[in-house]
Amino acid sequence: EAGVAQSPRYKIIEKRQSVAFWCNPISGHATLYWYQQILGQGPKLLIQFQNNGVVDDSQLPKDRFSAERLKGVDSTLKIQPAKLEDSAVYLCASRLQGSTEAFFGQGTRLTVV
Amino acid sequence: KNEVEQSPQNLTAQEGEFITINCSYSVGISALHWLQQHPGGGIVSLFMLSSGKKKHGRLIATINIQEKHSSLHITASHPRDSAVYICAVTSGNQFYFGTGTSLTVIP
Repeated sequence: EAGVAQSPRYKIIEKRQSVAFWCNPISGHATLYWYQQILGQGPKLLIQFQNNGVVDDSQLPKDRFSAERLKGVDSTLKIQPAKLEDSAVYLCASRLQGSTEAFFGQGTRLTVV
Repeated sequence: KNEVEQSPQNLTAQEGEFITINCSYSVGISALHWLQQHPGGGIVSLFMLSSGKKKHGRLIATINIQEKHSSLHITASHPRDSAVYICAVTSGNQFYFGTGTSLTVIP
């Protein structure tokens, strides 16, 4: 079974530039999460989708971050414009509805300089 | 206060040592996860448990639901075990994560 796919693996951008991350969850997984993990901290939920609807985006900095999951399958997370403090690993995870087990992608390590 | 607390935050061990990482949580859970994160950032799920004990190779995870506590043990540690170990719990539709334990195993 293929895992959660994320791309790119690494990205370096200058502050005020834009960046987008892509996630393809495991087939059939209705729930998709985007997490931000700053070095030395645990992952922080940015947004949770159930199919193509947003369940929780309370911690998403909506002035610069946006995410979509238009067809209820893969998802993109965008930062525009990026700030230095956005440097982090961005993790995507998916879960089968009704299951307690989550599967994580390899993450995208973003460095903003 | 975080819903999930881990200790220690950092751990250095000599190769071959027995290692224990602890996790306490304060919310009602349906499952507890132990995750391993290597320097590249990707996360691998080691265990998911809701009661008792699980073993996989040199790794053992236990959970005490009444005490809201879990431990991850590594027997005969090896330098390739060096990573960040994260405890996470599933509560309803949410995941709560600990801040991780950074383990370094020295040859």
